[in-house]
Amino acid sequence: EDQVTQSPEALRLQEGESSSLNCSYTVSGLRGLFWYRQDPGKGPEFLFTLYSAGEEKEKERLKATLTKKESFLHITAPKPEDSATYLCAVGQAGTALIFGKGTTLSVSS
Amino acid sequence: ETGVTQTPRHLVMGMTNKKSLKCEQHLGHNAMYWYKQSAKKPLELMFVYNFKEQTENNSVPSRFSPECPNSSHLFLHLHTLQPEDSALYLCASSRNPGGGGELFFGEGSRLTVL
Repeated sequence: EDQVTQSPEALRLQEGESSSLNCSYTVSGLRGLFWYRQDPGKGPEFLFTLYSAGEEKEKERLKATLTKKESFLHITAPKPEDSATYLCAVGQAGTALIFGKGTTLSVSS
Repeated sequence: ETGVTQTPRHLVMGMTNKKSLKCEQHLGHNAMYWYKQSAKKPLELMFVYNFKEQTENNSVPSRFSPECPNSSHLFLHLHTLQPEDSALYLCASSRNPGGGGELFFGEGSRLTVL
């Protein structure tokens, strides 16, 4: 069965303490790996799309990387405003995105 | 004008009520989606519309009835819901259907069923 697993479920960091979130997937025919940010009570906000192993994308303090089995979202020197739930999703041909449960990040000052 | 607009943002209804959720996208996309988000669960795909034709129904109970009159508007009609249907209902759109393109989400409609 196709599956997307995110870890850890929750992560608490101090401001400036860098870390990584993991998204592992077992799908056939990957067409894209997507990262979203979701604030409480709001819809997910698109961050990145990765299409092939070895690809990397950056946005401010976030960098997403992709291998054949997993993706990492690296957060460098996080700030309190980076606190949110980060969702990973994979795309396959002919079907809508499959989402993981998310990682809830809390950054304290 | 935001890309994907959902109304109402909050809805409380009894189990015997009939209500509707509305979604409008201003991105010129061809595909629209309904997702359900419950606590501690991944987003669950409910329905997919491509060029206003339903292309996917993910075994959703008949008490949820979608309607897509055109590529920009999507409705979710609700009737005789159960308390376990309480959740955040998210509408999304994409340029094309299938798994190769990113989805753009609305802010969601928080539904509480009493």
